[in-house]
Amino acid sequence: GEDVEQSLFLSVREGDSSVINCTYTDSSSTYLYWYKQEPGAGLQLLTYIFSNMDMKQDQRLTVLLNKKDKHLSLRIADTQTGDSAIYFCAVVNQGGKLIFGQGTELSVKP
Amino acid sequence: DSGVTQTPKHLITATGQRVTLRCSPRSGDLSVYWYQQSLDQGLQFLIQYYNGEERAKGNILERFSAQQFPDLHSELNLSSLELGDSALYFCASSVEGQGFGELFFGEGSRLTVL
Repeated sequence: GEDVEQSLFLSVREGDSSVINCTYTDSSSTYLYWYKQEPGAGLQLLTYIFSNMDMKQDQRLTVLLNKKDKHLSLRIADTQTGDSAIYFCAVVNQGGKLIFGQGTELSVKP
Repeated sequence: DSGVTQTPKHLITATGQRVTLRCSPRSGDLSVYWYQQSLDQGLQFLIQYYNGEERAKGNILERFSAQQFPDLHSELNLSSLELGDSALYFCASSVEGQGFGELFFGEGSRLTVL
């Protein structure tokens, strides 16, 4: 079955870059996703990458995909306190279900 | 505001009881998904409905059931509640039945079983 793994916590200082990593066991997903969950709120799609791409940049966000190693990462440049949230990696499995990782709680210290 | 509405926001009940969580999807979305979020299990997919029919099933217990009505709103029924059912239950909706994974999530219903 599909398994998506993330580290649970990451703490950075304001202004630093944050890198959140994700590994998955298998994926037929055409897209791979990063969702963000702010305190007390539901998840919101942050960005996504096509499976035939290695990198996607969107303002302060950079997504890197290494299909050979089944590794996805999200880099947030110039991290701000407002970026403090839980970040979920997600892939669509062969059954069409969106499978989420455990989520990485990002804490940004001033 | 994602456009997905969930009620109630908070619910406290006792073991053995039954509760119903309600979800109204975004206008125009045909698919509804239910997820359970707990500290130890993370975000677990429970079930998906598309235009009134069950489309996919995940880690949903037999004590739980769901349905999607003709007006596309959905209800998740949790019965014979146990302490371990305490969690945040999310509903999400999407236009598509499967494939592209942009789901729009509600704010969740927090269930506490005492």
